[in-house]
Amino acid sequence: AQTVTQSQPEMSVQEAETVTLSCTYDTSESDYYLFWYKQPPSRQMILVIRQEAYKQQNATENRFSVNFQKAAKSFSLKISDSQLGDAAMYFCAYRSHNTDKLIFGTGTRLQVFP
Amino acid sequence: DVKVTQSSRYLVKRTGEKVFLECVQDMDHENMFWYRQDPGLGLRLIYFSYDVKMKEKGDIPEGYSVSREKKERFSLILESASTNQTSMYLCASNFRGAVSYEQYFGPGTRLTVT
Repeated sequence: AQTVTQSQPEMSVQEAETVTLSCTYDTSESDYYLFWYKQPPSRQMILVIRQEAYKQQNATENRFSVNFQKAAKSFSLKISDSQLGDAAMYFCAYRSHNTDKLIFGTGTRLQVFP
Repeated sequence: DVKVTQSSRYLVKRTGEKVFLECVQDMDHENMFWYRQDPGLGLRLIYFSYDVKMKEKGDIPEGYSVSREKKERFSLILESASTNQTSMYLCASNFRGAVSYEQYFGPGTRLTVT
């Protein structure tokens, strides 16, 4: 069975600085999808970024980018120029190619200090 | 904009009560999901429905049942609530298959069982 591990329960960053959140996963599959979701305090969970395993190029969405290392089964999220609004719980998630179900990690709480 | 709504943000019930959590989506999504979110455990899938009247057990279905009589509505039922079911419950939905695989989440229901 696939598993997703987020080893950093909490992280903090100064406004305008860069922070990297870690995620590793375990799978025997070669075709899958990876996601980072953001859950702001008392607000709905939203998708931040996604990566298809067959794509070698790392996904980027504005200030958010990933470092996808398929061989190492690592999928970290880099937030550049951090803003106060980036403070949230961040969840890494895995989806096999042949199912619609997601497997989530335990989450990382990010604090952003002014 | 996709909208996923949940019937209550906060709910307090007594042990042994039958509890209904309702979720409604307005995007004609085939898939609907119920998750439970607990600190340190991330999101765990309780049940998944891929069509009207169709359901599939997730990772922690014990103590829960679901109902999907209409495409837009997915209900989670706690037949006899227990204190260990105190948690945040999140509903999500998306289109089936690889075309659009982002899950859209509701705001969550924080259930307390006393």
